[in-house]
Amino acid sequence: DVKVTQSSRYLVKRTGEKVFLECVQDMDHENMFWYRQDPGLGLRLIYFSYDVKMKEKGDIPEGYSVSREKKERFSLILESASTNQTSMYLCASSSGTGRYGYTFGSGTRLTVV
Amino acid sequence: DQQVKQNSPSLSVQEGRISILNCDYTNSMFDYFLWYKKYPAEGPTFLISISSIKDKNEDGRFTVFLNKSAKHLSLHIVPSQPGDSAVYFCAASARKTSYDKVIFGPGTSLSVIP
Repeated sequence: DVKVTQSSRYLVKRTGEKVFLECVQDMDHENMFWYRQDPGLGLRLIYFSYDVKMKEKGDIPEGYSVSREKKERFSLILESASTNQTSMYLCASSSGTGRYGYTFGSGTRLTVV
Repeated sequence: DQQVKQNSPSLSVQEGRISILNCDYTNSMFDYFLWYKKYPAEGPTFLISISSIKDKNEDGRFTVFLNKSAKHLSLHIVPSQPGDSAVYFCAASARKTSYDKVIFGPGTSLSVIP
């Protein structure tokens, strides 16, 4: 069964900490994405990558960075966590065009205190 | 400025009846539309999609209708089942130079009452 795996389901971090969220996919997909989900706002794109070592800013990249050293792994980094980054973070991957649907991971609920 | 809107945050429907979830969009460049379903503590799963050249797509109990002139689409679930209780996200896609930009709506929480 193909899947996208996010390393943590729940995380609690302190303000100012550097936070790493890891995502691995086993489908050999070219494209990988990081979204955050907040009530009433839906899913908002933070960063995406369409190839190894390539990255593109999404709609809300401020305060985040990403790393894609290998095709199967896409990491989201919160350089200095803040309370307004408390959210559900979702990783997704797709092959080719996204109009045929993304495969999402189960999400990481991050709380910054 | 939300380009994809789902104006009903929640919807309750009796088991066996029809569920209709609505979605409106503002950008005429969108040419592909998708619906995702999300259970608590899980990631969204792709449900059904429709190209802008069509006005209807059907997959089992799920049918998506697209009205381009009104910039409106809807998802019909017939008959509704308790297992359909979830949050449904509408998404719209526009082709960029080398990728598809996908915008998600805020979601509608569907409760199907046994």
